[in-house]
Amino acid sequence: RKEVEQDPGPFNVPEGATVAFNCTYSNSASQSFFWYRQDCRKEPKLLMSVYSSGNEDGRFTAQLNRASQYISLLIRDSKLSDSATYLCVVNRGGGNKLTFGTGTQLKVEL
Amino acid sequence: NAGVTQTPKFQVLKTGQSMTLQCAQDMNHEYMSWYRQDPGMGLRLIHYSVGAGITDQGEVPNGYNVSRSTTEDFPLRLLSAAPSQTSVYFCASSGSGETQYFGPGTRLLVL
Repeated sequence: RKEVEQDPGPFNVPEGATVAFNCTYSNSASQSFFWYRQDCRKEPKLLMSVYSSGNEDGRFTAQLNRASQYISLLIRDSKLSDSATYLCVVNRGGGNKLTFGTGTQLKVEL
Repeated sequence: NAGVTQTPKFQVLKTGQSMTLQCAQDMNHEYMSWYRQDPGMGLRLIHYSVGAGITDQGEVPNGYNVSRSTTEDFPLRLLSAAPSQTSVYFCASSGSGETQYFGPGTRLLVL
């Protein structure tokens, strides 16, 4: 079993739609959680950290469920510019050694 | 402030050749790391460094060497290239927080 698992997609949604991605992690000792965004043939960039209480950044909402070991990302009012691959990332602790999921591809269409 | 830079952007090697992928950062970050990204595999950690003079192995270190003589630079050496090392290589750095800043990547093809 992969340490961090994501549905690869692609998720094809119309502009303005709400879309949600889930991610599960296997190590219950994991301490920090993140969503990174990666555009085609570009480097990953931090989208947002994920906090236990849930957090929101504009149209993006991240949730963490430690009991079930999953992380979610909700994107409201999707824009064409949201088209990218979204990487679920977990830090097991003991430094900055991150474990990346394989990513979920989002395509927002007119 | 250039952030994290990597050279070259593209490289084609023959099996058995050696080369060094360069990585530099100008943010005075202590932590630097190298990842490779392959289809369906996600990013996998090759080597990392928590400061000048200190390096350690990640998940997939075989066939690669690193050194960290300065805070700014963290080169990755391929000792004897193999087709299995065809990949996209990303260097990243982070400071006191956990956010990792990635370079633009090096696309390597080993024939």
